[in-house]
Amino acid sequence: DTEVTQTPKHLVMGMTNKKSLKCEQHMGHRAMYWYKQKAKKPPELMFVYSYEKLSINESVPSRFSPECPNSSLLNLHLHALQPEDSALYLCASSQEAVAGFYEQYFGPGTRLTVT
Amino acid sequence: AQKITQTQPGMFVQEKEAVTLDCTYDTSDQSYGLFWYKQPSSGEMIFLIYQGSYDEQNATEGRYSLNFQKARKSANLVISASQLGDSAMYFCAMREGVDTDKLIFGTGTRLQVFP
Repeated sequence: DTEVTQTPKHLVMGMTNKKSLKCEQHMGHRAMYWYKQKAKKPPELMFVYSYEKLSINESVPSRFSPECPNSSLLNLHLHALQPEDSALYLCASSQEAVAGFYEQYFGPGTRLTVT
Repeated sequence: AQKITQTQPGMFVQEKEAVTLDCTYDTSDQSYGLFWYKQPSSGEMIFLIYQGSYDEQNATEGRYSLNFQKARKSANLVISASQLGDSAMYFCAMREGVDTDKLIFGTGTRLQVFP
């Protein structure tokens, strides 16, 4: 089973709202990732968690706050977003973050619209 | 400088024909990994194939094969016997070295398969 699930599939939020995106995998993977993808562009890495610890933050604004409660779950907390944050948010997981070139498995994404 | 270059914004292929999607990369690392992903209009990124820099054989996975030419720094994806369901965006990606977990994506090639 190479499934990564993400909820919700679609999210519309105002600039003053607080919402969370959720991601789950049950493949025993030790690395999890958040990507942001704008239309007609490649995904851009936001955060990497390795063994439940934040290992990479690609200078993401603090209105995005990641959380890894356990090895299977990854959340992205959203607060005071801007319209330009509207995008497809993809979660991914891989067996390890380093020590090997493991493929990343992606979820279906959450399409976020900020109004 | 671009690390991953996909020079074909769009490609057309007739059903049952083979098609090659180009990818060139730029790295000074000896150890790196190259990946191809497919992204249908639904949004999910689907892992297709992986080639390691030390692999002597070209990678193959079903109808997908990777034409790896290390000296030319190219890693072209070959899809044999194209199917209508192959219509999607295709991204080439690279991970450099073993001490970083950043996947660098190219700009993608949109493949359209026609009957």
